[in-house]
Amino acid sequence: RKEVEQDPGPFNVPEGATVAFNCTYSNSASQSFFWYRQDCRKEPKLLMSVYSSGNEDGRFTAQLNRASQYISLLIRDSKLSDSATYLCVVSGGYGGATNKLIFGTGTLLAVQP
Amino acid sequence: GAVVSQHPSRVICKSGTSVKIECRSLDFQATTMFWYRQFPKQSLMLMATSNEGSKATYEQGVEKDKFLINHASLTLSTLTVTSAHPEDSSFYICSARQGLENTEAFFGQGTRLTVV
Repeated sequence: RKEVEQDPGPFNVPEGATVAFNCTYSNSASQSFFWYRQDCRKEPKLLMSVYSSGNEDGRFTAQLNRASQYISLLIRDSKLSDSATYLCVVSGGYGGATNKLIFGTGTLLAVQP
Repeated sequence: GAVVSQHPSRVICKSGTSVKIECRSLDFQATTMFWYRQFPKQSLMLMATSNEGSKATYEQGVEKDKFLINHASLTLSTLTVTSAHPEDSSFYICSARQGLENTEAFFGQGTRLTVV
C-alpha cells in the first residue's frame, strides 16, 4: 500500500464548478498535512496546510480526519487558473527521519471554459 | 522571490558521464534538505535526506553510490548522478524546510536531466 494515496484523475470540470479531492495516508503517526499545487514542469508550491479543525482560504477548504486517516480539499467556483496537479503531502511520524515530506501521486484538475 | 535555488535547470549529458546538481537555501539555514525525483506523469519520489555535516539518509531502493549527496554547508547541498544512463533521465527537485513540523517546504526550480 502506498503511503499517501490519491485519485489521479483527471478531473475535468467547467468554470464555476465545485470540485473535491480526497487523500488517504497509511502512517497513523503522521503529524503534518499539506496540499501542494504543481503546474506542468514546475516545482510544487504550497497551497495550504491542513489542520485538525479544518481550514479555509478563500475558495479553498481543507479538512483532516485523523481517525480515518483522510484528508480532503474542496475548491469552490473553479477558475481556469486552478488547472494544475494537486498533491496531498504528509510529514512526520518517521522517527529519526526529520521533516521529510511524502507526496501522494497527485490529482490532475482541468477546468474547462 | 525564490528561497531555494537549484542549478542547473536543464542538462543534457552523454551516457557514462556524471552530473552535479546544486541546491542552495538563499535566506535561511537548512540543516536538512531533501532530494526528489519525478518521472513524467508521476509524483515526487523522495530519494534521500541530506544532512549537513553527516551522511545522507537514502530511501529504500535508491543507490547511494550512484546518487552521491554532499551537504557541505548549511546553505548548500549537491546531488551527483554518477555514470548516468538514459533511465536516469528525470526531473530532480530539492527541498528545504526552515523549521520543524507544520512549516512550509520550499522547493528548488528543479533540474530536468536528459541522458543520451
